[in-house]
Amino acid sequence: NAGVTQTPKFQVLKTGQSMTLQCAQDMNHEYMSWYRQDPGMGLRLIHYSVGAGITDQGEVPNGYNVSRSTTEDFPLRLLSAAPSQTSVYFCASRLSGANEKLFFGSGTQLSVL
Amino acid sequence: RKEVEQDPGPFNVPEGATVAFNCTYSNSASQSFFWYRQDCRKEPKLLMSVYSSGNEDGRFTAQLNRASQYISLLIRDSKLSDSATYLCAVLLDTGRRALTFGSGTRLQVQP
Repeated sequence: NAGVTQTPKFQVLKTGQSMTLQCAQDMNHEYMSWYRQDPGMGLRLIHYSVGAGITDQGEVPNGYNVSRSTTEDFPLRLLSAAPSQTSVYFCASRLSGANEKLFFGSGTQLSVL
Repeated sequence: RKEVEQDPGPFNVPEGATVAFNCTYSNSASQSFFWYRQDCRKEPKLLMSVYSSGNEDGRFTAQLNRASQYISLLIRDSKLSDSATYLCAVLLDTGRRALTFGSGTRLQVQP
């Protein structure tokens, strides 16, 4: 199993550009989520999904869209990048039980100029 | 007040020392508790779950105090390789079924 695969690892955007961060998992996890991590702020939840076709907002959803057309994939779209979206982004997945381990992708370092 | 709070540190300790971190959470109905380890510029990795009765994994001991709403992590006989940021995570009873993370405590073990 590859686990949780995120691409790209690094990305530089100009203000106003759009892009999609890709996330795929091969563990048949129902639950997938996106976090951003900023210095001193910890990990903050952007969006999450409890299964294919179901998504919901997390703590900081503004400026981001998600979709979950398959169990495996959970892309995160930046519609019009802003410097405030400069951050490290992590995708994570787990089985649906409350005590299940959360597996993280290796992260995407995004800079918006 | 943040939902999950940690002392950011850094904690600078010599090899062999015992060090403890605490993490407080705001929601008394929180269900599940975890400690994650994060190395610089890497993804967080689960260190251990925290059970009501407390649990131990080698040099690491985790405790839960529901009355005071905190969890703790104790590291005995610190190694240089323990240097990392330790994140606590709580499954708050918000309906989102998502983990809420503290901002992390940085540990630096020195020779």
